[in-house]
Amino acid sequence: QKEVEQDPGPLSVPEGAIVSLNCTYSNSAFQYFMWYRQYSRKGPELLMYTYSSGNKEDGRFTAQVDKSSKYISLFIRDSQPSDSATYLCAMSEDFRYFQGAQKLVFGQGTRLTINP
Amino acid sequence: DTAVSQTPKYLVTQMGNDKSIKCEQNLGHDTMYWYKQDSKKFLKIMFSYNNKELIINETVPNRFSPKSPDKAHLNLHINSLELGDSAVYFCASSQGLAAATQYFGPGTRLTVL
Repeated sequence: QKEVEQDPGPLSVPEGAIVSLNCTYSNSAFQYFMWYRQYSRKGPELLMYTYSSGNKEDGRFTAQVDKSSKYISLFIRDSQPSDSATYLCAMSEDFRYFQGAQKLVFGQGTRLTINP
Repeated sequence: DTAVSQTPKYLVTQMGNDKSIKCEQNLGHDTMYWYKQDSKKFLKIMFSYNNKELIINETVPNRFSPKSPDKAHLNLHINSLELGDSAVYFCASSQGLAAATQYFGPGTRLTVL
């Protein structure tokens, strides 16, 4: 079993729809939760990150973390064709409690297409 | 100005050859990383350097040798290339060891024939 599971999709929705992207994980030591967006033939770019549980909102994007269920979500409201990309979740343990560097563990990524 | 740049962008080579990929960041970060993304889009950490010191060295064949001449540069040399090395290699950087916010380069697409 992989540490981080993410449905690769593809996921196709009409413009303006609310998109829900999810990841589950098995390592209860994960404390940092990130969402990266990767356009085709480009490097991943950080969209949002959250420490521990809770919600975080940034414009049309909302990240949710439920540590009790080991489940994280990214919601995209009023989706636009420019949101079409692969979305990768990533997680790491809290680097303050161990020596060395914080390692990100990525999900496989969900390929999202927003149709005009 | 490109924050994290990689050269070359594409690399096509024969099995058994040796090749290098270079990475440079102008963000003033002190930690740099190499990731490998396979055909299924899995992105996996290979190495990380902090202030030119190797701090992450995942289970990677010793044909792969990273080198950081200074904080702004991280190179990856690969000896005796194999078909399974075909992938996209990403360089990334962050400030300090807090890797939550990493900035990725555009990637180097390596194809081994």
